[in-house]
Amino acid sequence: QSALTQPPSVSGSPGQSVTISCTGTSSDVGNYNRVSWYQQPPGTAPKLMIYEVSNRPSGVPDRFSGSKSGNTASLTISGLQTEDEADYYCSSYTSSSTWVFGGGTKLTVL
Amino acid sequence: QVQLVQSGAEVKKPGASVKVSCKASGYTFTSYAMHWVRQAPGQRLEWMGWINTGDGNTKYSQKFQGRVTITRDTSASTAYMELSSLRSEDTAVYYCARAYGSGGACMDVWGKGTTVTVSS
Repeated sequence: QSALTQPPSVSGSPGQSVTISCTGTSSDVGNYNRVSWYQQPPGTAPKLMIYEVSNRPSGVPDRFSGSKSGNTASLTISGLQTEDEADYYCSSYTSSSTWVFGGGTKLTVL
Repeated sequence: QVQLVQSGAEVKKPGASVKVSCKASGYTFTSYAMHWVRQAPGQRLEWMGWINTGDGNTKYSQKFQGRVTITRDTSASTAYMELSSLRSEDTAVYYCARAYGSGGACMDVWGKGTTVTVSS
């Protein structure tokens, strides 16, 4: 199972919005709503930010939102804050009954 | 509160095996499956497998099939991940993560990770 495709890096200024894409295939992202997003600051464990494409766990700010179109899922962060700077990973369930992660995207808040 | 506490760092020689534990607390252990994910230095997250903590059924990534074994001890609310025939490329942080949502849709609680170093 190949990794899902994410841009290596994105950046934005405080207050701006950024979108991170996650492209898979019809065997994963395109066929299942079990797509989730994780935030990982350096040296820490990942934290769940979005699950089932667009649901936010309690405690996650509503500045974080998720969506999906075809084989591509997206994470949008609006009103960027310096504490949002981290690596972000998408994940999807697959037709092989396994899970696959994306390659990760480094978000820099300028 | 819901918590996953993992065992301490390990240093192993090539060819050896390592067994990492993950003790759950704050919820009913058998009500949620458990994933295992690893991350090599500077690399992406990599899914290894998961276990249905209720009946013990497992599913592994094809990449690790034959080398990884995930088990659980319900009396101790603990899941285990054993990786055999270690090589230098297995040097990584190994995480356990609770499966949450429809069909274990996501990983909502993570352990802090266990660093495994493989070196001669």
